[in-house]
Amino acid sequence: QVQLVQSGAEVKKPGASVKVSCKASGYTFIDYAIHWVRQAPGQRPEWMGWINTGIGNTKLSQKFQGRLIITRDTAATTAYMELSNLGSEDTGFYYCARGDRYGFSELLPWGQGTQVSVSS
Amino acid sequence: EIVLTQSPGTLSVSPGERATLSCRASHSISSDYVAWYQQKPGQAPRLLMYRVSSRAAGIPDRFSGSGSGTDFTLTISGLEPEDFAVYYCQQYGSSPRTFGQGTKVEIK
Repeated sequence: QVQLVQSGAEVKKPGASVKVSCKASGYTFIDYAIHWVRQAPGQRPEWMGWINTGIGNTKLSQKFQGRLIITRDTAATTAYMELSNLGSEDTGFYYCARGDRYGFSELLPWGQGTQVSVSS
Repeated sequence: EIVLTQSPGTLSVSPGERATLSCRASHSISSDYVAWYQQKPGQAPRLLMYRVSSRAAGIPDRFSGSGSGTDFTLTISGLEPEDFAVYYCQQYGSSPRTFGQGTKVEIK
């Protein structure tokens, strides 16, 4: 079955970077995009960006321009999200989710989420 | 950026009753690119509806979606115990994709 499995929880200090992985299985990896969505405690989900896993280009929310990098390794069928210069406001759950290759689609399925905690 | 506003914030409903959730957009959403997700505590969001009114695979037909332009509705007919959760609308017609602030459906 189609599945996205994310890496484990992270604890980081302010100013550090975090890299979260998302391992895909059960489908042809390069036929679908991977989106990244985060959710702070008690808040609505917030879309961060997406990657066309076939050609590798990305579209990022302007909010994260300059400190967000989304990449993929097609041989490993894994996508990565790296967020730098972390602050306490970056604490929350980070999810990957599959979308169609054109970028404008609903998100299904979602990974289980990776908890990122930023604290001094 | 399209801002999505959901109402009400909390909906108290008895099992077996109908729940009607609203999502209003600040600008018209192109191509009816609206989805609804259900989220339970400690879980990732789960897709319920896409393109306003299409049910995702495995979603029971007590869930239905409607609307166009800037006003959208999710209706749950005959609430089951497993339906008590938070529901988010999302638009994916323009960037950045945005989500509403959520409606919590709780047991009355």
